[in-house]
Amino acid sequence: DGGITQSPKYLFRKEGQNVTLSCEQNLNHDAMYWYRQDPGQGLRLIYYSQIVNDFQKGDIAEGYSVSREKKESFPLTVTSAQKNPTAFYLCASSSGIHTEAFFGQGTRLTVV
Amino acid sequence: GQQLNQSPQSMFIQEGEDVSMNCTSSSIFNTWLWYKQDPGEGPVLLIALYKAGELTSNGRLTAQFGITRKDSFLNISASIPSDVGIYFCAGQPTGNQFYFGTGTSLTVIP
Repeated sequence: DGGITQSPKYLFRKEGQNVTLSCEQNLNHDAMYWYRQDPGQGLRLIYYSQIVNDFQKGDIAEGYSVSREKKESFPLTVTSAQKNPTAFYLCASSSGIHTEAFFGQGTRLTVV
Repeated sequence: GQQLNQSPQSMFIQEGEDVSMNCTSSSIFNTWLWYKQDPGEGPVLLIALYKAGELTSNGRLTAQFGITRKDSFLNISASIPSDVGIYFCAGQPTGNQFYFGTGTSLTVIP
């Protein structure tokens, strides 16, 4: 089945720990994205990548880091520098930066 | 980042009624997208619009790319219980990322 897989679905971490969220796609898409969603708000872009080994900051990149070593993978690390990490994180991919994006199922991160 | 104003924020309607929602921006957009999100899930693409004035349907859903290129509309006809969810618009200015609206929460009362 073609699609975008995020894992895990739910993640709990203690404050001060870094945590990495996984995102894999088998759609052969060049572009991949990470969004953050808070209750009652729209999606805000954290980072995006148009090609392998290249990525750009979105509107709320502080406290996050990414890598794009393979076309199909775009992991997101939430670092201890992120002041308010508890949120729903969505990964997406598209064939190009100007085309519609398709989303994974999301990872709900809770930091206690 | 860009601000997209999506309205209404929430809607409570009777099953069988039609629904209308819209999204406006202060900038000209080249592409408008409409997504639906169920609780705890990722958004699912409903309709993509690429030209000003374009009117596109997907079953009971119809979306339009506004002539001014600063707005878009989504209509749902004859609503059913499974239409419940949050509907998001997303717009893309020239050569730029997509920006998302704050969503319209739809509740359908059987």
